[in-house]
Amino acid sequence: QVVLQQWGAGLLKPSETLSLTCAVYGGSFSDYYWSWIRRPPGKGLEWIAEINQSGRANYNPSLQSRVTISLGNHFSLKMTSVTAADTAVYYCVRGRVQFPYYYMDVWGKGTTVTVSS
Amino acid sequence: DIQMTQSPSSLSASVGDRVTITCRASQIIYNHLNWYQLKPGEAPKLLIYGASALHSGVPSRFTGSGSGIDFTLTITTLQPEDFATYFCQQTESVPHTFGQGTKLEI
Repeated sequence: QVVLQQWGAGLLKPSETLSLTCAVYGGSFSDYYWSWIRRPPGKGLEWIAEINQSGRANYNPSLQSRVTISLGNHFSLKMTSVTAADTAVYYCVRGRVQFPYYYMDVWGKGTTVTVSS
Repeated sequence: DIQMTQSPSSLSASVGDRVTITCRASQIIYNHLNWYQLKPGEAPKLLIYGASALHSGVPSRFTGSGSGIDFTLTITTLQPEDFATYFCQQTESVPHTFGQGTKLEI
């Protein structure tokens, strides 16, 4: 069974950089896409970005200028210049391509990130 | 971006009921539509992919249907563990947008 374990700073001040990391247990990075998705309090889910082992990455245009994702020994997210609007639960997610479908089949439990001065 | 409009935003039901949640895309997404279940403190779970394919291990009381722009998730014979929040998601194009969610309450 594949498990995603994620960690990172939970409290940030405005203008700081959010940094989250995700490790995969019971599986590998090969053959999948790896996404970050967030849920602000009281709101719906927002897809942030995804990357595969080839380094092919896709970003949400609304966040692209502030976001960097990378895949090495772990899967990571960096988001610069955070504001209160970036307060959310952030999920590390595995995306699977089963042609012609693409879906997110394994999720981490989420990391709560709060941005407050 | 493709907008996903999900309804209702909340739904009250009882154990044993049948409920239906709908999701409408702002443009044709063929059957690139997934459904997820979220519970507080737990990792979200994939229920349905490709609009109607049941993910491994998901009970058969969950059914997805639709194609094009209109989709539904039906839960027959509600169980206590089904009270949660449900989201649809399109993966036809980037960004992979979600509906606003439906909170299913007792």
